[in-house]
Amino acid sequence: DTAVSQTPKYLVTQMGNDKSIKCEQNLGHDTMYWYKQDSKKFLKIMFSYNNKELIINETVPNRFSPKSPDKAHLNLHINSLELGDSAVYFCASSQNTDREKLFFGSGTQLSVL
Amino acid sequence: GQQLNQSPQSMFIQEGEDVSMNCTSSSIFNTWLWYKQDPGEGPVLLIALYKAGELTSNGRLTAQFGITRKDSFLNISASIPSDVGIYFCAGHNTGGFKTIFGAGTRLFVKA
Repeated sequence: DTAVSQTPKYLVTQMGNDKSIKCEQNLGHDTMYWYKQDSKKFLKIMFSYNNKELIINETVPNRFSPKSPDKAHLNLHINSLELGDSAVYFCASSQNTDREKLFFGSGTQLSVL
Repeated sequence: GQQLNQSPQSMFIQEGEDVSMNCTSSSIFNTWLWYKQDPGEGPVLLIALYKAGELTSNGRLTAQFGITRKDSFLNISASIPSDVGIYFCAGHNTGGFKTIFGAGTRLFVKA
């Protein structure tokens, strides 16, 4: 059973399109995150949700809108995709008592053409 | 903002060699962590350190939390081909929601 699963694994799309990435965790964790990994492999936090509430929004453009329907799911919707959005997006989760211990999904490689 | 400087950026070693990498920060963290990322996968936690001066091992891996709380190092002994990957240091402060990652050390092991 995959602990943190995100879909799709690969996403190739044209500039200007709108796309979504889904994430689910079956660990019973309270906190979920989206991280962006650029071509140089640098990992940067985008959003953090705790029990469905937005906690961190790291100056991400408004075109990125996370949605957490329940604490096991955190989806990421991106409007009007731009070339610079091409990256690998990782979903992660952690328990409130050990927020430093992140469990990552296997990533979604987004390519904007 | 907080930044972590991780070095070296990459290492090319022979199987059986020992490896050392380190991480320094412009500010204090009360938790240091080391993660490994295999190709096509997300990072996986290797070691977490909670106390200044703490030395912790996980198999062939040993990590230390620096006395100043602004640095940490990771050693891998007797490297094997499956050690290949990107190793990330990370800093976290208790109660916070943000974990800051270093830029990673890419390890290549030649059999």
